[in-house]
Amino acid sequence: EAQVTQNPRYLITVTGKKLTVTCSQNMNHEYMSWYRQDPGLGLRQIYYSMNVEVTDKGDVPEGYKVSRKEKRNFPLILESPSPNQTSLYFCASWGGGSSYNEQFFGPGTRLTVL
Amino acid sequence: AQSVTQLGSHVSVSEGALVLLRCNYSSSVPPYLFWYVQYPNQGLQLLLKYTSAATLVKGINGFEAEFKKSETSFHLTKPSAHMSDAAEYFCAVSGSAGGTSYGKLTFGQGTILTVHP
Repeated sequence: EAQVTQNPRYLITVTGKKLTVTCSQNMNHEYMSWYRQDPGLGLRQIYYSMNVEVTDKGDVPEGYKVSRKEKRNFPLILESPSPNQTSLYFCASWGGGSSYNEQFFGPGTRLTVL
Repeated sequence: AQSVTQLGSHVSVSEGALVLLRCNYSSSVPPYLFWYVQYPNQGLQLLLKYTSAATLVKGINGFEAEFKKSETSFHLTKPSAHMSDAAEYFCAVSGSAGGTSYGKLTFGQGTILTVHP
């Protein structure tokens, strides 16, 4: 089954404790992206990747890091989380073929930073 | 630079009535436009997309949208609302393929659709 998976789905942590949210896709997509969703603000892009070892900032990159060492994986790293990073996070992937430019979203990761 | 404005954070209709969700965009390059739906506690699902082919785009669940370049709009419609349409809807814009803003997807703030019996 074609899908984007994220782990963990729920995470409660404390300020300053480094964490990683994993994202993996099995559709051989070139593009991957991270978003955060906050009430009244819609989804805002954090980082995106055009291919292995190629990444670029989205609209709200501050406080986040990403890496793309393999095509299927695109982890989101919070080196020193703060309470304002409490949010719902989505990973997405997309590529060519018949679904050109359609982004496939993961189920979301709800992060709470205390 | 690109941006999306969805007019109305909440829209309420009666079952069987017309659904109209408004979206206006701003883009310095030819855009790709999308509507996504999010049901409670779920991820986003693509309803339909415009990628420079036909300006009237039909999507899933009876929804359609029309790209109007002169009005910079991409409004979402459905002739007859169903209770199962209650959800949050997001309009989004990206640059077209090959452009520098292709990977950058910008969403509107979202419109919550409520359907009354």
